[in-house]
Amino acid sequence: QVQLEESGPGLAKPSETLSLTCAVSGFSISDGYYWGWIRQPPGKGLVWIGSIFQTGQSFHNPSLESRLTLSIDTSKNHFSLKLASVTAADTAVYYCVRGTDGYNNQGWYFDLWGRGALVTVSS
Amino acid sequence: EIVLTQSPATLSVSPGERATLSCRASQSISTYVAWYQQRPGQAPRLLIYDASNRATAIPARFSGSGSGTDFTLTISSLEPEDFGVYHCQQRSNWPFTFGPGTKVDIK
Repeated sequence: QVQLEESGPGLAKPSETLSLTCAVSGFSISDGYYWGWIRQPPGKGLVWIGSIFQTGQSFHNPSLESRLTLSIDTSKNHFSLKLASVTAADTAVYYCVRGTDGYNNQGWYFDLWGRGALVTVSS
Repeated sequence: EIVLTQSPATLSVSPGERATLSCRASQSISTYVAWYQQRPGQAPRLLIYDASNRATAIPARFSGSGSGTDFTLTISSLEPEDFGVYHCQQRSNWPFTFGPGTKVDIK
């Protein structure tokens, strides 16, 4: 059974960098698929943040690109997100996800989700 | 950026009844749309991809249809566990976007 689990501080100060890691179990991220992040501000809709492939090639939402860094560590079977210069608008539940085309290949639908990590930006 | 709108915002349905949810795109997205279910306090779950294909282990009471700009998710007979928020998502154009969601609650 493939599982994703987010970890990281639940609180970030304005102007600082938000960091999260997603540990993948039951599947080797070297075997394919895109691995990414989606966030959901309290009471609001879902926003795709970005995704990364096993090669390190990453894809970012243009609205966050200037502040976003994605990385992947196949030896540890995890991938990470860093979002710089955060403000209160970055307060959200952050989900790590697996991207699929629906046919067991990498793609841009999201078939596996972590439980989510609430990150609050506040001084 | 493609904007997805969903209607209605809230749908009140009795168990056993049929529910029809709508998702409209600001421009044509072919059939590149997915539907997700999100129960309270949980992560979303992929239900439908490419407009009409059920994801793994999704019951047959869930079906999707549509192409171009108009899409529909139908739940043929609501079960108690089907109440929650339903999101549509497009993968046709960068960046991938989601609709604001339709909340299905108990009538």
